[in-house]
Order: sequence, then C-alpha cells, then structure tokens
Amino acid sequence: NAGVTQTPKFQVLKTGQSMTLQCAQDMNHEYMSWYRQDPGMGLRLIHYSVGAGITDQGEVPNGYNVSRSTTEDFPLRLLSAAPSQTSVYFCASSYSLSLNTEAFFGQGTRLTVV
Amino acid sequence: KNEVEQSPQNLTAQEGEFITINCSYSVGISALHWLQQHPGGGIVSLFMLSSGKKKHGRLIATINIQEKHSSLHITASHPRDSAVYICAVSNDAMGNYQLIWGAGTKLIIKP
Repeated sequence: NAGVTQTPKFQVLKTGQSMTLQCAQDMNHEYMSWYRQDPGMGLRLIHYSVGAGITDQGEVPNGYNVSRSTTEDFPLRLLSAAPSQTSVYFCASSYSLSLNTEAFFGQGTRLTVV
Repeated sequence: KNEVEQSPQNLTAQEGEFITINCSYSVGISALHWLQQHPGGGIVSLFMLSSGKKKHGRLIATINIQEKHSSLHITASHPRDSAVYICAVSNDAMGNYQLIWGAGTKLIIKP
C-alpha cells in the first residue's frame, strides 16, 4: 500500500518555466489537497478537491492550476514559475469529505525557482 | 493574530525529559489535529481529537474545548522525537474543507 506518492522530490526551475507536480493516492480517498510550506509559516492551502471532477481554490491559488480527472490523481501545475513560488509543496489526502479524519501526506517536493 | 498559535516556537530538552507543546485557537472547531514532521521528511498524523485525551505510546494529546487549548505531551523523550510538531484545526460544519494550521514547534532532544 503506497499511500500518497508525490513526485518529484526536488526540482529547480528557471523563472517563467512551467511544470507539473504529480500526486497519486491508492487509498480511494475523496479529499485531496495541495499545500505549500514556507519558513516560519504554517502550511497554506493552494487548491483542494472533494472528488473527481471537483476542485476549488484555497488560501493561495494564484499561479497554480489543478485538475482531478480520476479519484487517484491530483496534479498541481505551475503555469509560469516565479521566485516567490520557491517552497516545499505537500500533497495530502483523506478518506472522507470531513476533515475530522486522518490526513495522509506525500513526502514533499522542494522547489527552487531561480 | 493567527487563528492557531503554538508555543513554544522552539524547544530544546535533554533525553528523558517530559515535553509539553501547546496549541491555542480562536475559532470554533470540530476537531484538532497534531502532526509530526521530521527534518527533510514528510508529515505524519499523530492524533485527531475533538474532546478529552488520547494516548499513543509515549505521546499524549489533550484538548479543552471551553478554553480553546490543546497540549501534546511526550514522556521519557528520546532524540528520535526531534521533529517539528504541528497543530491544525478543522471546522467543516459549514462545508468548509480547509484546515487552519499553526506554524509548528521545533523540538530538539539532546542525548
């Protein structure tokens, strides 16, 4: 049981480049989300999904797109990378739409934009 | 003022000491989560609680809903407990699918 698989683990981008961070879970979880983690701050929600075909914006959605074509996958796309997007990104999933259930996290992607 | 505040921000202790990390929140919640993040590693859920107390091994989490406060305790601390401990709260009563996160407490246990 792989849990939440997030790739890549590290990435360096040049300003203006685009890329996709992959996230897949094999637990049949409905709720999936993307966070960014910056020094001295709590995790900030970028986008989330409550099921296939349904996505919504979180606290800091600008510069990012998501889609949820299947229950398993929830990729995060950076459209035109900026240095302000240098951060550690985490994908998470949980079984039900209620947040009162355990969340499972990927290992994180450390992204540097130069 | 942040809606979820943790204290202390940093904590260094000797192996064997009893550790307490605090989390205070200012919003109505339906549950509070404690999570652990090791250096360079992912994030692991430790507890989810909405009342009372939970225990898992040397870890104990308590919550006082009236005082809007939770504590995470570690008994007989060990260097492998060194990590960042994060508190987060949820209130999905209104269909709000967003956790509110504390900034974390960095714990270092020295041998």
